[in-house]
Amino acid sequence: KAGVTQTPRYLIKTRGQQVTLSCSPISGHRSVSWYQQTPGQGLQFLFEYFSETQRNKGNFPGRFSGRQFSNSRSEMNVSTLELGDSALYLCASSPGQEYNEQFFGPGTRLTVL
Amino acid sequence: SQQGEEDPQALSIQEGENATMNCSYKTSINNLQWYRQNSGRGLVHLILIRSNEREKHSGRLRVTLDTSKKSSSLLITASRAADTASYFCATGGDYGGSQGNLIFGKGTKLSVKP
Repeated sequence: KAGVTQTPRYLIKTRGQQVTLSCSPISGHRSVSWYQQTPGQGLQFLFEYFSETQRNKGNFPGRFSGRQFSNSRSEMNVSTLELGDSALYLCASSPGQEYNEQFFGPGTRLTVL
Repeated sequence: SQQGEEDPQALSIQEGENATMNCSYKTSINNLQWYRQNSGRGLVHLILIRSNEREKHSGRLRVTLDTSKKSSSLLITASRAADTASYFCATGGDYGGSQGNLIFGKGTKLSVKP
């Protein structure tokens, strides 16, 4: 099976812009989670989607949003970008039913100037 | 906020030596997982240990869990240069309890010198 894919891999934006990141989970996986990784805060959970519904949400401002489509692909959007949003954004998928391991994609490196 | 805290933050050893990393966590758990990350790339799942298990092996990896001390350790035996990476413990991700989110520690950066 193909692994989790994320696009784009690298992105440069300026403050105030918005960005959309995409994640395609492993075939058959219904849960997609998003994480933000920064040197200062480490790995932090953003949100999780399961069968097109947000099942869990981390402690991030409303500028961070996401959605999941019927084919389990997911997107996350960050509006009104701030310098502090520069990070590696990781997507992970899982079958989602009593299966605890998560399978991560390579990440999208976002730089906000 | 981080649930787990790894110790040490950085570890440098020679090839062939063993590497031990520790993780402490704060609340009760159903399972604890260890992940590896190579140089700012995606995480790779290494091993999961359930709260009713005390020790688990996978190849050169040995994980222990002490729920009374809320701590876990990851031992990599006969390390190789290819083991150079950051190692994270994570709790949560318990879909049985509808907790799909993993809570990570800050990680241990392991450097294995040839």
